[in-house]
Amino acid sequence: QVQLQESGPGLVKPSQTLSLTCTVSGGSISSGSYYWSWIRQPAGKGLEWIGRIYTSGSTNYNPSLKSRVTISVDTSKNQFSLKLSSVTAADTAVYYCAREDDYGYHFDPWGQGTLVTVSS
Amino acid sequence: QSVLTQPPSVSAAPGQKVTISCSGSSSNIGNNYVSWYQQLPGTAPKLLIYDNNKRPSGIPDRFSGSKSGTSATLGITGLQTGDEADYYCGTWDSSLSAFGGGTKLTVL
Repeated sequence: QVQLQESGPGLVKPSQTLSLTCTVSGGSISSGSYYWSWIRQPAGKGLEWIGRIYTSGSTNYNPSLKSRVTISVDTSKNQFSLKLSSVTAADTAVYYCAREDDYGYHFDPWGQGTLVTVSS
Repeated sequence: QSVLTQPPSVSAAPGQKVTISCSGSSSNIGNNYVSWYQQLPGTAPKLLIYDNNKRPSGIPDRFSGSKSGTSATLGITGLQTGDEADYYCGTWDSSLSAFGGGTKLTVL
């Protein structure tokens, strides 16, 4: 079955750009009708949807983050990526990648998550 | 502040039944499918219910979902200590995916 795995630096300095990659295994990122999404969760808090990319390459972003977010896909590597610019301590969170169904908009499966800390 | 409202916590004894509510509006629950997720301590969320009331393969029928108007409910019967977790509802809202604030289930 499809599995997702996040990777990237665990520590980012304030004002710099956070970059994460999600590697999809067990299936092609180009097959089926799915969005590929990023979601984050600050420690002790709830889930916040960051944005998504469709298999066609079209994107949707959370309006509260839109000015700082870029999501891209590399079908040759079966990966999609997140870039979040001008980070502050408020961006410290566990970042998850997930597959989103394009009909019911539910998320399954999820990656295990990766903690990104913004600190100097 | 989440656009979907969940109670912060619920509790019940082993073997009992509990329900968790998720309240929204016409821009989200009222016109879109609802999903539910279980997050055990230290792990990623896991899909429990999708399309309001469907269970993915492997999810026991102790878990059920329903929707009426602008509210949705997750039901769990035959509570087990292993059900202690945070539960989140989710749906589409106008231009973004939205989650409830989460409900912590304690099995006493």
